[in-house]
Amino acid sequence: AQSVSQHNHHVILSEAASLELGCNYSYGGTVNLFWYVQYPGQHLQLLLKYFSGDPLVKGIKGFEAEFIKSKFSFNLRKPSVQWSDTAEYFCAVSRTAGNNRKLIWGLGTSLAVNP
Amino acid sequence: GEEVAQTPKHLVRGEGQKAKLYCAPIKGHSYVFWYQQVLKNEFKFLISFQNENVFDETGMPKERFSAKCLPNSPCSLEIQATKLEDSAVYFCASSLKTDTQYFGPGTRLTVL
Repeated sequence: AQSVSQHNHHVILSEAASLELGCNYSYGGTVNLFWYVQYPGQHLQLLLKYFSGDPLVKGIKGFEAEFIKSKFSFNLRKPSVQWSDTAEYFCAVSRTAGNNRKLIWGLGTSLAVNP
Repeated sequence: GEEVAQTPKHLVRGEGQKAKLYCAPIKGHSYVFWYQQVLKNEFKFLISFQNENVFDETGMPKERFSAKCLPNSPCSLEIQATKLEDSAVYFCASSLKTDTQYFGPGTRLTVL
């Protein structure tokens, strides 16, 4: 069965530190990959996505992610975090075969950035 | 509209009562998805629609959960005889085709 694992459940950083959140998935076919963010009191917002093409994708607010097919990974990065990046981060995957695009989710990473 | 709308924002029910949640997808979007988020992290897929047709209902506990997307009406998710474990935030998402899903603000259901 398809699954997504996020390695870091809780991350605490100081402002200006670099961030990398791990995401691995298990599925033999081609996939679409997503990172969503949930700021405190707000709803889910798309950070970035990968469908095809350049495996290094850039998203909003200075975030980027790299799809490494051989490692089944889609890690999220930001060179310098800000206090406002404090949020829950979710990695999600959907299949590309057929029309079924239900998202399979990781358990999320809670990021706290100290000013 | 340009955003997915969900109502109500909060819903409190006693165990055994019925709960009904609504979702208005972004205008023009053909696909609607329902997800359940328990304990602030685990998202579980419930059901998806392509227009008014059920596309995938493999995540639905069918004995108590039902959902509809009728033309010219908000989509709905109904839970008959709620249980304590149904307490969660229920998110609706819509997509234009089979691509990016845009999420609503969620409905927080508390079963007492």
